Amino acid sequence: AQKVTQAQTEISVVEKEDVTLDCVYETRDTTYYLFWYKQPPSGELVFLIRRNSFDEQNEISGRYSWNFQKSTSSFNFTITASQVVDSAVYFCALVEEAGNMLTFGGGTRLMVKP
Amino acid sequence: DVKVTQSSRYLVKRTGEKVFLECVQDMDHENMFWYRQDPGLGLRLIYFSYDVKMKEKGDIPEGYSVSREKKERFSLILESASTNQTSMYLCASSPSRGSTYEQYFGPGTRLTVT
Repeated sequence: AQKVTQAQTEISVVEKEDVTLDCVYETRDTTYYLFWYKQPPSGELVFLIRRNSFDEQNEISGRYSWNFQKSTSSFNFTITASQVVDSAVYFCALVEEAGNMLTFGGGTRLMVKP
Repeated sequence: DVKVTQSSRYLVKRTGEKVFLECVQDMDHENMFWYRQDPGLGLRLIYFSYDVKMKEKGDIPEGYSVSREKKERFSLILESASTNQTSMYLCASSPSRGSTYEQYFGPGTRLTVT
């Protein structure tokens, strides 16, 4: 069975600090997809990134970067020079190729203080 | 832009009442999902539907039922609400049965059962 663990329930940083959100997953499939979503205070989950299991290249999008390592079953998310607007709950999720159901981690609440 | 709307942002119901939560998407997506979100538990899938009149149980279907009579609308029904169903409910849709596509989420309904 698939499982996603986000060990950090809450992180607090000061603006401009870099912060990394950890995500560890478990799956028996060789083909799967990993996601990160952001949930701002408004409540609506916003899609950030999708990664398939065959693409281990790290990705950078502005201040956001993702580090996918199959050897450690991790898909970590780093925000560089954090801003107050980054304050949100962030979810990591996994879906196996054979399935339709996303399995979410418990989420990490990030608080960026001015 | 994909739009997923939910009928209410906040709802207060009494124990034993029948509760309907409505979700509508405007992008002709085949898949629709209902999740509940609780602190520390992330999002857990209640039911999903990959076509009109089709439904499949998720991880926590007990106490819930669903209805999909039209492609754009997916309803979650609490036959007899109980206090342990107090939660945030999120609806999502995705464009095909394939698991590679990200899900688009509505703003959520915060349900309180007293």
